[in-house]
Amino acid sequence: DQQVKQNSPSLSVQEGRISILNCDYTNSMFDYFLWYKKYPAEGPTFLISISSIKDKNEDGRFTVFLNKSAKHLSLHIVPSQPGDSAVYFCAASVRTGANSKLTFGKGITLSVRP
Amino acid sequence: EPEVTQTPSHQVTQMGQEVILRCVPISNHLYFYWYRQILGQKVEFLVSFYNNEISEKSEIFDDQFSVERPDGSNFTLKIRSTKLEDSAMYFCASLFIETGKGGYTFGSGTRLTVV
Repeated sequence: DQQVKQNSPSLSVQEGRISILNCDYTNSMFDYFLWYKKYPAEGPTFLISISSIKDKNEDGRFTVFLNKSAKHLSLHIVPSQPGDSAVYFCAASVRTGANSKLTFGKGITLSVRP
Repeated sequence: EPEVTQTPSHQVTQMGQEVILRCVPISNHLYFYWYRQILGQKVEFLVSFYNNEISEKSEIFDDQFSVERPDGSNFTLKIRSTKLEDSAMYFCASLFIETGKGGYTFGSGTRLTVV
């Protein structure tokens, strides 16, 4: 049951260039999307989110784009830095008020080369 | 910055034994969760907890699992009789309130190894 798919297991980019991480979802009920970053031996750390009423949300070097018709979202990191090297998880939820369990993708390992 | 604290960081147990994983959520948070990640797989929702009761649980969260908030600060996950397939990273998370912004705060996880 892969409701959230991150089809590329890894991505390698040069420092200073743009990183584009993609995510697809199948459940049309999802209306809130999040990106998490995870270092080894740590828990996921929230990066950025977007509601389904928007198509773009920006926070510093991080921008998330949402294409609802294609059920696709992407995370852009620009410029990429070596410290960005981590596993990035896309997650989605159906906002029902008090409870919004997250459905995660399998993650993408980003490596930023100095 | 406030943190979600999980103990122990690593737990090794024999199959069939009971384990209790402990979490101290952020003090003013109202919603509490357990997720797990089996090696090489995705992070999966186990259970959510609000107002001293389970709000939602997944199919994984069967009768072998239970959660408790015994003293207003700790949030525990108990597995009564562990199986080999329970080996995973278990993450506790907490959330203040649904604001439409931001996400949960996760702990660093407990690596459970069942042998």
